Amino acid sequence: EAGVAQSPRYKIIEKRQSVAFWCNPISGHATLYWYQQILGQGPKLLIQFQNNGVVDDSQLPKDRFSAERLKGVDSTLKIQPAKLEDSAVYLCASSLDRKGREKLFFGSGTQLSVL
Amino acid sequence: GQNIDQPTEMTATEGAIVQINCTYQTSGFNGLFWYQQHAGEAPTFLSYNVLDGLEEKGRFSSFLSRSKGYSYLLLKELQMKDSASYLCAVRDRGFKTIFGAGTRLFVKA
Repeated sequence: EAGVAQSPRYKIIEKRQSVAFWCNPISGHATLYWYQQILGQGPKLLIQFQNNGVVDDSQLPKDRFSAERLKGVDSTLKIQPAKLEDSAVYLCASSLDRKGREKLFFGSGTQLSVL
Repeated sequence: GQNIDQPTEMTATEGAIVQINCTYQTSGFNGLFWYQQHAGEAPTFLSYNVLDGLEEKGRFSSFLSRSKGYSYLLLKELQMKDSASYLCAVRDRGFKTIFGAGTRLFVKA
């Protein structure tokens, strides 16, 4: 079974530039998550989709971050414009469902450095 | 607010037993997860508890007390490869999965 695919693996940009990350979840997984993990901290939930609808985006900085999940499969996360404090690993995860004992499967992440 | 607390770091000796504690205060409760994260890698699932008590899986066990908002992860027969961060995560009333900051475990020979 293929895992969660993410690209790119690494990205270096200057502040005020734009960047986009892509995620392809495990086939059949209804729930997709984007987490931000700053070095030395735990993952912080940015946005959670159930199929192609947003379940929670309360911690997404909407003035600069946006995300979509078209057709309930792939997802993209965009930052425009980037700030220095956005330097982090962006993890995409998926689960069969968001309820019950359904565990999260994580992709390898995108390490973003904003200079 | 939502809060998940874990010790920042722990050190243990190869072959020993270590217990990593987690306390939580969340908006409702729909299960508690433990994940392992090696440096530079993605988290991977270790265990899930939704009822009080102990869940055992090989060298790893996880305990939950919902009334106390408390869980622990027990690692037995420690190996060098167990050096990693251990993340406690709670699924809240709205089915959001919230992570603690993680406990970095160093296993020494």
